Amino acid sequence: EDQVTQSPEALRLQEGESSSLNCSYTVSGLRGLFWYRQDPGKGPEFLFTLYSAGEEKEKERLKATLTKKESFLHITAPKPEDSATYLCAARPINDYKLSFGAGTTVTVRA
Amino acid sequence: DAGVTQSPTHLIKTRGQQVTLRCSPKSGHDTVSWYQQALGQGPQFIFQYYEEEERQRGNFPDRFSGHQFPNYSSELNVNALLLGDSALYLCASSLAGGYRYNEQFFGPGTRLTVL
Repeated sequence: EDQVTQSPEALRLQEGESSSLNCSYTVSGLRGLFWYRQDPGKGPEFLFTLYSAGEEKEKERLKATLTKKESFLHITAPKPEDSATYLCAARPINDYKLSFGAGTTVTVRA
Repeated sequence: DAGVTQSPTHLIKTRGQQVTLRCSPKSGHDTVSWYQQALGQGPQFIFQYYEEEERQRGNFPDRFSGHQFPNYSSELNVNALLLGDSALYLCASSLAGGYRYNEQFFGPGTRLTVL
């Protein structure tokens, strides 16, 4: 069965304190690994798609990387506006659905 | 560029009632997926519609049904509501075919409360 696990559940950072979020996935062949940002009460906002091990994508202070079993979302020098829940999702080959982890809630204090 | 829109924003129903949620996909997209997100959890896949047919279904009972219209918009219907159906219902649209067809873009969601 497809499984996506995110850690930690919550992360409290001081402004400027870099950190990483982990997403472990077990799927029967990976078509794509997706990262989303979700603010309270709103829909997930698309950030990145990663397709193959070794691939990296960057956007502002965020950088996503992919291995054969995990993906990492690195937050460099975060600001309070980076506070949100970050969701990771895997799409297996021959499947249309996204399987989501439970998310990591990041709080950045000024 | 119009993003994914959903209506209504909030809805309160009582147990046993029926509800219909609506979704308009992002401009140019032809595929609609529905997800249920309970508080503190990640979204769970309900089903996906493409070419007006249900293409894939998740582990949800038959009380959950849907429809896609010729203009690609979609409805989610839930019958015989249970307290456990209270959640944020998310619609996501994507484009079938092509290298970027995986990417699903989400709407703001409909918050359903069942009393």
